[in-house]
Amino acid sequence: GENVEQHPSTLSVQEGDSAVIKCTYSDSASNYFPWYKQELGKGPQLIIDIRSNVGEKKDQRIAVTLNKTAKHFSLHITETQPEDSAVYFCAALISSGSARQLTFGSGTQLTVLP
Amino acid sequence: EAGVVQSPRYKIIEKKQPVAFWCNPISGHNTLYWYRQNLGQGPELLIRYENEEAVDDSQLPKDRFSAERLKGVDSTLKIQPAELGDSAVYLCASSLNLAGRRINEQFFGPGTRLTVL
Repeated sequence: GENVEQHPSTLSVQEGDSAVIKCTYSDSASNYFPWYKQELGKGPQLIIDIRSNVGEKKDQRIAVTLNKTAKHFSLHITETQPEDSAVYFCAALISSGSARQLTFGSGTQLTVLP
Repeated sequence: EAGVVQSPRYKIIEKKQPVAFWCNPISGHNTLYWYRQNLGQGPELLIRYENEEAVDDSQLPKDRFSAERLKGVDSTLKIQPAELGDSAVYLCASSLNLAGRRINEQFFGPGTRLTVL
C-alpha cells in the first residue's frame, strides 16, 4: 500500500548546528504534509505543516520544503537547542480505499548535545 | 483551552482480559481519531469518526476491537480479549473538519500505554 519513508532513524547534532530530516511518500495525490514532535510520555504535537500548493514554509527556526515531482519533503531545524531533543514524525495525507488518512513515517530520534 | 483528554494513562492487564480506553476531544471538534503506536513506530490509524459516525474503520481489527462515539463527543475504544501483541500506546486525536474545507490540524492526547502480560 501507500506509505511514508523517513530518514534517518536517529540523529545527533551539537547545540547550535542544523538538523535535517527527510521523508518520501508514494501517493502522488497527497496534498498535506505535517510534521509532529513527540516528547517522552506525550502525544505528538504539530510543529509545522505544508500543503502541496507551496514549496517551502518557515516558522522561526523551523522550515519545511516540499518537492512534489520527486515526492519528498524535509524538515530543517536551525540553531538547534537541547529542548529540540525529541522524536520527530513526518506524515502525509494518503488515499486508503475510499478514504484519505494521515500516514506517518517511522520517526527520527533527534538528540541535541549541549 | 483544554486539550484532548485520555484515560487511563497506563494500563497493565493479563492476556484474554478486556480493556477500555476513554477519550474526550477538544470542545467543538467534530472529528475524532483513534491511533495505535507501537514502540519505535509512528501512529497508525484504527478508526475515524465524523460526529457519531465511524467513516473509516478499515484498519480496526473487528474480531476483538470495538469503538463507539454515541453522542458525537467522547469516545471509548475497547479490546476484548486482549492479546500480547496489543501492547502499545493508544492515541486519541481530534480536529475540526468542515465539508469542502482543507484538512485541519489534528490535536493528539497523551495516550494510554497498554501492557498485556
